[in-house]
Amino acid sequence: DQQVKQNSPSLSVQEGRISILNCDYTNSMFDYFLWYKKYPAEGPTFLISISSIKDKNEDGRFTVFLNKSAKHLSLHIVPSQPGDSAVYFCAASERYSGGGADGLTFGKGTHLIIQP
Amino acid sequence: NAGVTQTPKFRILKIGQSMTLQCAQDMNHNYMYWYRQDPGMGLKLIYYSVGAGITDKGEVPNGYNVSRSTTEDFPLRLELAAPSQTSVYFCASSNTGITNEKLFFGSGTQLSVL
Repeated sequence: DQQVKQNSPSLSVQEGRISILNCDYTNSMFDYFLWYKKYPAEGPTFLISISSIKDKNEDGRFTVFLNKSAKHLSLHIVPSQPGDSAVYFCAASERYSGGGADGLTFGKGTHLIIQP
Repeated sequence: NAGVTQTPKFRILKIGQSMTLQCAQDMNHNYMYWYRQDPGMGLKLIYYSVGAGITDKGEVPNGYNVSRSTTEDFPLRLELAAPSQTSVYFCASSNTGITNEKLFFGSGTQLSVL
């Protein structure tokens, strides 16, 4: 039973346009969300995160939006660049006693392809 | 500035063989983790450690063992390898292990069990 769902295995976007990657979750106890980016033959690297007390967090070209009532978050990349081509993982964490990265649940990832 | 280093990068095992995946970090992080990623799937936590001498099971620990004798090293041991253990293995570390702290990952070990 997937608690974090990334329903689009891949997404193709033209360079310069907006990329929107979506993530849905089912566990209402999740209260912290992170996005990781992964290039082939490399490990994931942290991109951006958001706490449930916010509905938006921005870092340069990357913005994450959180809609708690819909249990949905999205990552916006504007403008998209060729170097953004990678697999993007959504991850969620539930706040509980002693909670930490051992409580992270990852989605399956979305492969973003930026076309020139 | 090496970060998290994993060796080997690739390995092919025969069913029943054993091996150790090495992981070392030079950031003096207390928390270390082992994940596996099966094709088309998200990362699953195998084992984690909150400091030297302390380890605990994650979501998918069966068939694996770990040890943490130093802050820097966190090896993952596969005993009696099975085809179901074919996967990409990632080691990661974090400083405090709190919920909102980012993880630093190694580049992975691609393991095939035939």
